[in-house]
Amino acid sequence: DSGVTQTPKHLITATGQRVTLRCSPRSGDLSVYWYQQSLDQGLQFLIQYYNGEERAKGNILERFSAQQFPDLHSELNLSSLELGDSALYFCASSPVWGDFSSYNEQFFGPGTRLTVL
Amino acid sequence: TQLLEQSPQFLSIQEGENLTVYCNSSSVFSSLQWYRQEPGEGPVLLVTVVTGGEVKKLKRLTFQFGDARKDSSLHITAAQPGDTGLYLCAGPGEAGGYNKLIFGAGTRLAVHP
Repeated sequence: DSGVTQTPKHLITATGQRVTLRCSPRSGDLSVYWYQQSLDQGLQFLIQYYNGEERAKGNILERFSAQQFPDLHSELNLSSLELGDSALYFCASSPVWGDFSSYNEQFFGPGTRLTVL
Repeated sequence: TQLLEQSPQFLSIQEGENLTVYCNSSSVFSSLQWYRQEPGEGPVLLVTVVTGGEVKKLKRLTFQFGDARKDSSLHITAAQPGDTGLYLCAGPGEAGGYNKLIFGAGTRLAVHP
């Protein structure tokens, strides 16, 4: 158990809908990262938050957005869903960001499996 | 653009065999990490290598970081079915890049009893 929790575990929805994925980082971790993993694309970095602020963006679609709340939990919002958005979505956390990071070792949650029908 | 290439993509072996998987890049990485991911689960960090030429051992797993810090290998001795999973290497992204990790596509290992 990494200490990172994600809900829900599974999500089935229809095209055009909007969903919210939730992540709680390990106790004390300030950085939260979101990744998408699909069979043909591997593990792709989406976005990072540090202590409530966005710090880095990867290949995140404009239909997707995220935020980190004062209690450090994070939510990933996916809207206007398409069939191709079906994937595993992982949240990871790490203690710090930047030069103070111990090589940016990240601890992953169990993921949310999103199926868009 | 920093890329990490892993080989082989797939490996199917019998219990007790030895194997090596590779992680290569044309870019220098300040460190590399290895993760193992089991079906339906998130990746779990196995080790971080930092110094060129460094060798780290974790029971039957031996990790090596290349002298030039552009490549790494994972060697498993006497593989067991419990070693089955997806092995991913990852390194810090560029441009101030302790912000994200760059992942390789992974080596999917199946160890048969």
